[in-house]
Amino acid sequence: GENVEQHPSTLSVQEGDSAVIKCTYSDSASNYFPWYKQELGKRPQLIIDIRSNVGEKKDQRIAVTLNKTAKHFSLHITETQPEDSAVYFCAASSQGGSEKLVFGKGTKLTVNP
Amino acid sequence: NAGVTQTPKFRVLKTGQSMTLLCAQDMNHEYMYWYRQDPGMGLRLIHYSVGEGTTAKGEVPDGYNVSRLKKQNFLLGLESAAPSQTSVYFCASSYRGPSNQPQHFGDGTRLSIL
Repeated sequence: GENVEQHPSTLSVQEGDSAVIKCTYSDSASNYFPWYKQELGKRPQLIIDIRSNVGEKKDQRIAVTLNKTAKHFSLHITETQPEDSAVYFCAASSQGGSEKLVFGKGTKLTVNP
Repeated sequence: NAGVTQTPKFRVLKTGQSMTLLCAQDMNHEYMYWYRQDPGMGLRLIHYSVGEGTTAKGEVPDGYNVSRLKKQNFLLGLESAAPSQTSVYFCASSYRGPSNQPQHFGDGTRLSIL
């Protein structure tokens, strides 16, 4: 089955700096890669996602890149703000009978003012 | 439109007791999921359902049972609670499978087993 590794487990940056979180996946059939943000005590919320037919996707300060050959994808946050502080989860899903997401273990991002 | 609603929000049980967690969604979603979240472990899938009357095992199904008698409800049962089941439980739903539609999460149920 699918296995998703996420790094780093914690990340601390200064306000205004960029943050990058990386994930690798094992199943070459995976074709959908969402990223969720979870603030302390809250529910996970989808912030951006990418499909395997796209190499990069941007939404304001957030971007996700996908390298299918290397089987890894990354979340990039530019001009970080204190409200970006949260736990971020990557996930992967494949079609073909496996109707479920496999999540990484999460990255705790702290943006210091 | 409330989205995904979980009941209860908090519960403390004694070892060996049983209980049922309720997840309700009003978005007419076909797929529903139960996850548990433990520190440093991310979100692990317990059971899921791809439609009314169907259920399937996820990554960590032992000690849990589920039922999907109505499309809008997905119940998670603990028949004999154990301290290892202390966790935060999240329910999620999506219109179609996760490779086609994003999952919407409930607010979670914090469960402590003493």
